[in-house]
Order: sequence, then structure tokens, then C-alpha cells
Amino acid sequence: GAVVSQHPSWVICKSGTSVKIECRSLDFQATTMFWYRQFPKQSLMLMATSNEGSKATYEQGVEKDKFLINHASLTLSTLTVTSAHPEDSSFYICSAGRLGAGANVLTFGAGSRLTVL
Amino acid sequence: GQQLNQSPQSMFIQEGEDVSMNCTSSSIFNTWLWYKQDPGEGPVLLIALYKAGELTSNGRLTAQFGITRKDSFLNISASIPSDVGIYFCAGFPGSSNTGKLIFGQGTTLQVKP
Repeated sequence: GAVVSQHPSWVICKSGTSVKIECRSLDFQATTMFWYRQFPKQSLMLMATSNEGSKATYEQGVEKDKFLINHASLTLSTLTVTSAHPEDSSFYICSAGRLGAGANVLTFGAGSRLTVL
Repeated sequence: GQQLNQSPQSMFIQEGEDVSMNCTSSSIFNTWLWYKQDPGEGPVLLIALYKAGELTSNGRLTAQFGITRKDSFLNISASIPSDVGIYFCAGFPGSSNTGKLIFGQGTTLQVKP
């Protein structure tokens, strides 16, 4: 079945540094990937839609300069949290899928926990 | 924006009991998905529903896509300790084909052995 891998699974960084999280579809090509943010005991909040070869589409309230998204290939999307601050600490999850009429199914990565000191 | 109202927010049950949770929306959804999330992990798809009225089972899990396309429920029969986790409903709204999933708030399930 479809497998999505995220790396790193957890990262601790100092305030002011930038952190890159990778999302890879291992056994399929993903035309679109999605990045979510999840705070403790809350649901997943969509941050942005990452389209291969084009600019990401950000949800309202998400700073595009803060959360840089690059989708360089059909199997890799990256999320870079720039100049991270403690309030950016969260669980970041990506999903990927082949989209089209009919069965839209997204596979989620295992998530990346970011802690900013 | 579109929202999914999921209930109950949490459940604490005895092993062997059946569980039911549901999601409702004020607008139409064309796909309903049910996910389970374990601590520190991403959501894992349990059941996908694509047609109004569809009833689908996956082992001890049964889910239905409401006739009005505005609701769905998930039942778990004969619960076991490994059923513990957070269950999310999610859906693709209306005729959207963008892949943007809308999530419910989640139902935290605890099972007492």
C-alpha cells in the first residue's frame, strides 16, 4: 500500500534557527501533498497544499514566509520552519495522495514533533 | 469555513463494550473518512465511504455515510485495549476535488481491561 515517510520524527532546536522537515511518498508519485499542524489534544489543522512544480497554497492565517514549502519532485515535499520560536513547537504531519474523481485517499506520515527552546 | 462536529469528545468504556461516535456537518460532504491516531503518530485510515447510504465494515469497525451526506457514524464492536486512541472523522466537502480534508475534533477512546 501507499507509504508516506516523514523525517525527522522529532527535532529540538534553539530559538531563531530554521528547521526542515521532509515528507516522502515511498511507493507512489504524489501530485499533491498537504501539511498539517496539530497541537496537543487538538485536531489536525491544514497549513498548506503543496503542488509539485508550483507554489504552495497556504490556508488563511498561515505565514508563507514563516513556513516555506518546496515540492521539488513527485515524491518529496519539504516544510522549513524559519526563525523558529517556542510558539512554533508543535506536531507537524504531512499527507500525500493521488487525487482524481472517485476515490480520493490520502496517506499520512507519522509526523514530526518540533520543540523550540 | 466548513466544519465537522464530532461527538462524543471522549469515552471511557469497559473492554468488550460497543462504541459509537458520529460526525455531522451543516454542508454536504462527498467523501467521509475515519482515522485513528495513536500518541505521537500520524492518523491511520480505518474506513473510507464514498456514497450516500454506504455502510462499510472493517473487522470490528462499521461506518456509514449518511443519506443526507451531512453525517457519518463509526461503530466499534467488542472493544479491546488496543482500540485506545483518538478517532477522527474527516471529509472532502461538496464537489471539491482539491484534496483538502476537513477534520472533526476527534474522539478520545479509553478502554478499561
